[in-house]
This record gives sequence, C-alpha cells and structure tokens, in this order.
Amino acid sequence: AQSVAQPEDQVNVAEGNPLTVKCTYSVSGNPYLFWYVQYPNRGLQFLLKYITGDNLVKGSYGFEAEFNKSQTSFHLKKPSALVSDSALYFCAVRDWGSYSSASKIIFGSGTRLSIRP
Amino acid sequence: NAGVTQTPKFQVLKTGQSMTLQCAQDMNHEYMSWYRQDPGMGLRLIHYSVGAGITDQGEVPNGYNVSRSTTEDFPLRLLSAAPSQTSVYFCASSYSIRGDTEAFFGQGTRLTVV
Repeated sequence: AQSVAQPEDQVNVAEGNPLTVKCTYSVSGNPYLFWYVQYPNRGLQFLLKYITGDNLVKGSYGFEAEFNKSQTSFHLKKPSALVSDSALYFCAVRDWGSYSSASKIIFGSGTRLSIRP
Repeated sequence: NAGVTQTPKFQVLKTGQSMTLQCAQDMNHEYMSWYRQDPGMGLRLIHYSVGAGITDQGEVPNGYNVSRSTTEDFPLRLLSAAPSQTSVYFCASSYSIRGDTEAFFGQGTRLTVV
C-alpha cells in the first residue's frame, strides 16, 4: 500500500538555527513527492515538489528538500529558521495504487513546526 | 484569478440534515478533490475527479456524494449528517491528472454536526 509518514508531531527550533522536518514514503512506482504548509485557519499552500531530476529541490520561502531514494525519504530543510515559519507542514505523495493516468495524492499526518524567538 | 473558492466557511448541522459544500475553481484545472482534515490524521481524500463527468472514491467516501457537471465546479454533498462528519473540509484542484503538479486549496469549510 502507498503511504507517507511524518514521524514527528512537533518540531521546536530556535530562530536562526537550521530546521528539518522529516518525511518517509512507500510507493510502488516512481515517487512524486510534495511539501505543503498550512497557516492557522487557512488552506494548504504548495512549497516544493520532486518529480524527477536533482535530488535537492528548492522551493518557496527559502525551503528545500532532499530526495533520498535509498532511504525513501524526502526531508524538508531550511538553513536558518524564522519565527514566521511556524506552521503545520504536510508531506504528500502520489498514489500509484489505482489508475496509471489518474492519481490520488496521499498526505502525511502533519508536523507542527514551532520557531521560538 | 480567484483560485479555489469554497462556500460556506462555517456551518452547523443537526444530525440527519443534508447539505452541499460548494467548490469552484477558475484555473481550468482538470483534477479536483475533496479532503477532510481531522486532528492527528492529516488530510484524508473523500472523492476526486479527473474531469467533467468523471468522479471516483478516495479513502473515506461513505456518507458523501459528488458530481462534476462542469470543469469549474465540484460540489460535495452530505446525505445525512452524522457527528463523525464534524471536520474541516478542503477542496483542491490541480492542472494535471497525473499527480505531477501542485494542488491549489480552498480556504476550507469548518463543519460541526450536533
């Protein structure tokens, strides 16, 4: 079965320090991987994606993610955290379990990132 | 571009009532979907559509119906509301049906069933 896991419910980081939000996946086909961010009382916003190509993907707001095929991971990173980065972060993966031409996207359970001043 | 528009933003229903959550997008996206968000469970897919006239079930379809008569609109119907359907509902759309493009989300509908 296709799945995506975010092992940490919460990550706490001091402002200015690097941050990592973890994501691991299990899919039967090529992994299409995404990160989204959700601010309070808002819908999700796209941050970045990996479809193919370079393993290091750069996205919005200074975030980047590294695709690691051997470890089936797609961790989200930022070199220097800001208080405004505090939000709920979701990893997502394309579900290849049904049609090959029509996709479902599976989301992880989310990680709450808290940046302290 | 308004993006993805969901209405209403808030709704309280009594058990057994029915209602329709509206979703419209103006980006000419083929792929549209409905999710529910519950604490600690992330987003779970209810139904999705790859084009007008084509819909399919997601992970948690029971108690919900959808239709897609136009590219723009993808309403979600609760047939007989139950307290277990208390949740935040998000509609999303994507350009590609192949799952390789990002999704655009509406602001959400917070539904309480009493």
